Amino acid sequence: SQQGEEDPQALSIQEGENATMNCSYKTSINNLQWYRQNSGRGLVHLILIRSNEREKHSGRLRVTLDTSKKSSSLLITASRAADTASYFCATDLDRGSTLGRLYFGRGTQLTVWP
Amino acid sequence: NAGVTQTPKFRVLKTGQSMTLLCAQDMNHEYMYWYRQDPGMGLRLIHYSVGEGTTAKGEVPDGYNVSRLKKQNFLLGLESAAPSQTSVYFCASRRRQETQYFGPGTRLLVL
Repeated sequence: SQQGEEDPQALSIQEGENATMNCSYKTSINNLQWYRQNSGRGLVHLILIRSNEREKHSGRLRVTLDTSKKSSSLLITASRAADTASYFCATDLDRGSTLGRLYFGRGTQLTVWP
Repeated sequence: NAGVTQTPKFRVLKTGQSMTLLCAQDMNHEYMYWYRQDPGMGLRLIHYSVGEGTTAKGEVPDGYNVSRLKKQNFLLGLESAAPSQTSVYFCASRRRQETQYFGPGTRLLVL
Protein backbone atom coordinates (compact mmCIF):
# COMPACT_ATOMS: atom_id res chain seq x y z
CA SER A 1 0.00 0.00 0.00
CA GLN A 2 1.17 3.53 -0.76
CA GLN A 3 -0.72 4.77 2.26
CA GLY A 4 1.20 7.20 4.41
CA GLU A 5 1.84 5.78 7.83
CA GLU A 6 2.05 8.19 10.74
CA ASP A 7 4.21 7.60 13.75
CA PRO A 8 3.53 7.62 16.64
CA GLN A 9 -0.13 6.58 16.75
CA ALA A 10 -0.63 8.66 19.88
CA LEU A 11 1.35 11.46 21.47
CA SER A 12 0.71 13.13 24.82
CA ILE A 13 2.61 16.27 25.84
CA GLN A 14 2.37 19.33 28.08
CA GLU A 15 1.52 22.79 26.86
CA GLY A 16 4.59 24.63 25.69
CA GLU A 17 6.40 21.50 24.53
CA ASN A 18 7.09 20.68 20.91
CA ALA A 19 5.26 17.87 19.15
CA THR A 20 6.81 15.91 16.30
CA MET A 21 4.89 13.49 14.09
CA ASN A 22 6.33 11.44 11.28
CA CYS A 23 4.93 10.06 8.06
CA SER A 24 6.47 7.39 5.85
CA TYR A 25 5.39 6.28 2.40
CA LYS A 26 6.47 3.75 -0.19
CA THR A 27 6.61 5.19 -3.72
CA SER A 28 7.61 8.49 -5.25
CA ILE A 29 5.17 11.32 -4.81
CA ASN A 30 4.18 14.62 -6.38
CA ASN A 31 3.37 16.18 -3.01
CA LEU A 32 2.60 15.34 0.59
CA GLN A 33 -0.07 17.03 2.67
CA TRP A 34 -0.77 17.33 6.37
CA TYR A 35 -4.26 17.70 7.81
CA ARG A 36 -5.74 18.20 11.25
CA GLN A 37 -9.05 16.84 12.50
CA ASN A 38 -10.69 17.99 15.68
CA SER A 39 -13.02 15.52 17.30
CA GLY A 40 -16.27 15.22 15.38
CA ARG A 41 -15.23 17.65 12.67
CA GLY A 42 -13.96 17.47 9.10
CA LEU A 43 -10.30 17.52 8.18
CA VAL A 44 -8.60 20.88 7.78
CA HIS A 45 -5.59 21.33 5.57
CA LEU A 46 -2.36 22.46 7.26
CA ILE A 47 0.55 22.36 4.80
CA LEU A 48 1.28 20.98 1.34
CA ILE A 49 4.91 20.25 0.49
CA ARG A 50 5.95 19.34 -3.03
CA SER A 51 8.52 16.72 -3.95
CA ASN A 52 11.11 19.36 -4.87
CA GLU A 53 10.78 21.13 -1.53
CA ARG A 54 12.56 20.17 1.66
CA GLU A 55 10.95 22.36 4.30
CA LYS A 56 7.91 24.59 4.73
CA HIS A 57 6.69 26.73 7.57
CA SER A 58 3.31 28.04 8.58
CA GLY A 59 3.09 29.83 11.91
CA ARG A 60 4.07 27.32 14.60
CA LEU A 61 4.12 24.47 12.09
CA ARG A 62 7.16 23.18 10.30
CA VAL A 63 7.05 20.37 7.76
CA THR A 64 10.08 18.63 6.31
CA LEU A 65 10.27 16.19 3.44
CA ASP A 66 13.05 13.72 2.74
CA THR A 67 12.30 12.03 -0.57
CA SER A 68 15.38 9.79 -0.31
CA LYS A 69 13.99 8.30 2.90
CA LYS A 70 10.38 8.62 1.75
CA SER A 71 9.44 10.36 4.95
CA SER A 72 8.04 13.62 6.25
CA SER A 73 7.73 15.18 9.66
CA LEU A 74 5.36 17.72 11.16
CA LEU A 75 6.67 19.79 14.03
CA ILE A 76 4.32 21.86 16.17
CA THR A 77 6.28 24.26 18.35
CA ALA A 78 5.11 25.66 21.68
CA SER A 79 2.02 23.48 21.65
CA ARG A 80 -1.30 24.60 23.11
CA ALA A 81 -4.27 22.71 24.46
CA ALA A 82 -6.14 23.80 21.32
CA ASP A 83 -3.68 21.76 19.23
CA THR A 84 -5.26 18.60 20.61
CA ALA A 85 -6.50 16.77 17.52
CA SER A 86 -5.74 13.96 15.11
CA TYR A 87 -3.13 14.71 12.48
CA PHE A 88 -3.03 12.95 9.13
CA CYS A 89 -0.56 12.88 6.30
CA ALA A 90 -1.66 12.23 2.74
CA THR A 91 0.42 11.46 -0.32
CA ASP A 92 -0.43 12.52 -3.87
CA LEU A 93 1.23 10.39 -6.54
CA ASP A 94 -0.53 12.17 -9.42
CA ARG A 95 0.16 9.56 -12.06
CA GLY A 96 -1.37 6.64 -13.92
CA SER A 97 -4.10 4.70 -12.22
CA THR A 98 -3.57 6.68 -9.01
CA LEU A 99 -4.38 10.01 -10.66
CA GLY A 100 -6.69 11.98 -8.42
CA ARG A 101 -6.27 9.89 -5.30
CA LEU A 102 -4.81 11.03 -2.01
CA TYR A 103 -3.53 8.27 0.23
CA PHE A 104 -4.21 9.00 3.90
CA GLY A 105 -2.55 7.40 6.87
CA ARG A 106 -4.38 6.39 10.02
CA GLY A 107 -3.30 9.48 11.87
CA THR A 108 -1.54 10.53 15.05
CA GLN A 109 -3.73 11.47 18.02
CA LEU A 110 -2.08 14.41 19.76
CA THR A 111 -3.17 15.36 23.26
CA VAL A 112 -1.80 18.54 24.78
CA TRP A 113 -2.35 18.89 28.53
CA PRO A 114 -2.72 22.34 30.09
CA ASN B 1 -17.58 30.98 -1.05
CA ALA B 2 -19.43 28.25 0.84
CA GLY B 3 -16.65 25.77 0.10
CA VAL B 4 -17.80 22.16 0.35
CA THR B 5 -21.28 21.55 1.69
CA GLN B 6 -22.99 18.28 2.51
CA THR B 7 -26.67 17.43 2.82
CA PRO B 8 -28.04 16.12 5.15
CA LYS B 9 -25.98 16.60 8.29
CA PHE B 10 -27.53 13.67 10.10
CA ARG B 11 -29.80 10.80 9.09
CA VAL B 12 -31.24 7.67 10.62
CA LEU B 13 -32.19 4.84 8.30
CA LYS B 14 -33.69 1.42 8.78
CA THR B 15 -31.94 -1.57 7.27
CA GLY B 16 -32.88 -1.89 3.62
CA GLN B 17 -33.84 1.74 3.09
CA SER B 18 -32.14 3.85 0.46
CA MET B 19 -30.84 7.37 0.53
CA THR B 20 -28.68 9.84 -1.34
CA LEU B 21 -26.05 12.09 0.18
CA LEU B 22 -25.41 15.29 -1.70
CA CYS B 23 -22.08 17.08 -1.89
CA ALA B 24 -21.68 20.47 -3.50
CA GLN B 25 -18.60 22.64 -4.04
CA ASP B 26 -18.37 26.16 -5.42
CA MET B 27 -14.61 26.26 -6.05
CA ASN B 28 -14.70 24.85 -9.58
CA HIS B 29 -12.64 21.84 -8.51
CA GLU B 30 -12.13 18.98 -10.93
CA TYR B 31 -11.71 16.26 -8.31
CA MET B 32 -14.34 15.17 -5.80
CA TYR B 33 -14.34 12.41 -3.20
CA TRP B 34 -16.49 10.47 -0.77
CA TYR B 35 -14.89 9.01 2.36
CA ARG B 36 -16.20 7.23 5.37
CA GLN B 37 -14.69 7.39 8.82
CA ASP B 38 -15.46 4.98 11.61
CA PRO B 39 -14.61 5.53 15.30
CA GLY B 40 -10.89 5.48 15.91
CA MET B 41 -10.21 4.90 12.24
CA GLY B 42 -8.72 6.97 9.52
CA LEU B 43 -10.45 7.89 6.31
CA ARG B 44 -11.42 5.22 3.81
CA LEU B 45 -12.10 6.24 0.24
CA ILE B 46 -15.43 5.03 -1.14
CA HIS B 47 -15.56 6.56 -4.63
CA TYR B 48 -14.00 9.53 -6.33
CA SER B 49 -14.27 11.52 -9.52
CA VAL B 50 -11.63 13.31 -11.57
CA GLY B 51 -14.10 15.15 -13.72
CA GLU B 52 -17.71 15.68 -14.65
CA GLY B 53 -19.25 12.44 -15.86
CA THR B 54 -16.43 10.24 -14.54
CA THR B 55 -16.27 8.17 -11.37
CA ALA B 56 -13.89 5.57 -9.96
CA LYS B 57 -13.90 3.10 -7.10
CA GLY B 58 -11.90 3.63 -3.96
CA GLU B 59 -11.01 1.21 -1.18
CA VAL B 60 -14.53 0.39 0.05
CA PRO B 61 -17.01 0.88 -2.83
CA ASP B 62 -19.33 -2.06 -2.17
CA GLY B 63 -22.88 -1.06 -1.27
CA TYR B 64 -22.45 2.48 -2.63
CA ASN B 65 -23.00 4.16 -5.97
CA VAL B 66 -22.07 7.65 -7.10
CA SER B 67 -22.83 10.10 -9.86
CA ARG B 68 -21.16 13.29 -11.05
CA LEU B 69 -23.57 14.77 -13.57
CA LYS B 70 -22.50 18.32 -12.82
CA LYS B 71 -19.00 19.48 -12.01
CA GLN B 72 -20.07 21.06 -8.73
CA ASN B 73 -22.06 18.10 -7.38
CA PHE B 74 -21.12 14.60 -6.31
CA LEU B 75 -23.88 12.28 -5.11
CA LEU B 76 -23.40 9.19 -2.97
CA GLY B 77 -26.19 6.64 -2.98
CA LEU B 78 -26.96 3.77 -0.65
CA GLU B 79 -29.40 1.46 -2.40
CA SER B 80 -30.10 -0.85 0.54
CA ALA B 81 -28.62 0.40 3.78
CA ALA B 82 -26.96 -2.02 6.19
CA PRO B 83 -25.88 -1.48 9.82
CA SER B 84 -22.25 -1.80 8.65
CA GLN B 85 -22.76 1.46 6.77
CA THR B 86 -23.26 3.38 10.01
CA SER B 87 -20.48 5.92 9.81
CA VAL B 88 -19.54 9.53 9.29
CA TYR B 89 -19.32 10.41 5.61
CA PHE B 90 -17.07 13.17 4.36
CA CYS B 91 -17.07 14.74 0.95
CA ALA B 92 -14.03 16.57 -0.35
CA SER B 93 -12.83 18.35 -3.45
CA ARG B 94 -9.63 19.77 -4.87
CA ARG B 95 -7.70 20.75 -7.95
CA ARG B 96 -5.02 18.52 -9.34
CA GLN B 97 -1.83 18.52 -7.22
CA GLU B 98 -3.46 20.85 -4.72
CA THR B 99 -4.93 20.67 -1.24
CA GLN B 100 -8.16 18.94 -0.46
CA TYR B 101 -11.12 20.75 1.09
CA PHE B 102 -13.49 18.75 3.23
CA GLY B 103 -17.15 19.17 3.98
CA PRO B 104 -18.47 19.10 7.56
CA GLY B 105 -19.60 15.49 7.38
CA THR B 106 -22.85 13.52 7.41
CA ARG B 107 -23.56 11.25 10.35
CA LEU B 108 -25.51 8.19 9.25
CA LEU B 109 -27.03 5.68 11.61
CA VAL B 110 -28.50 2.50 10.15
CA LEU B 111 -30.71 0.54 12.52
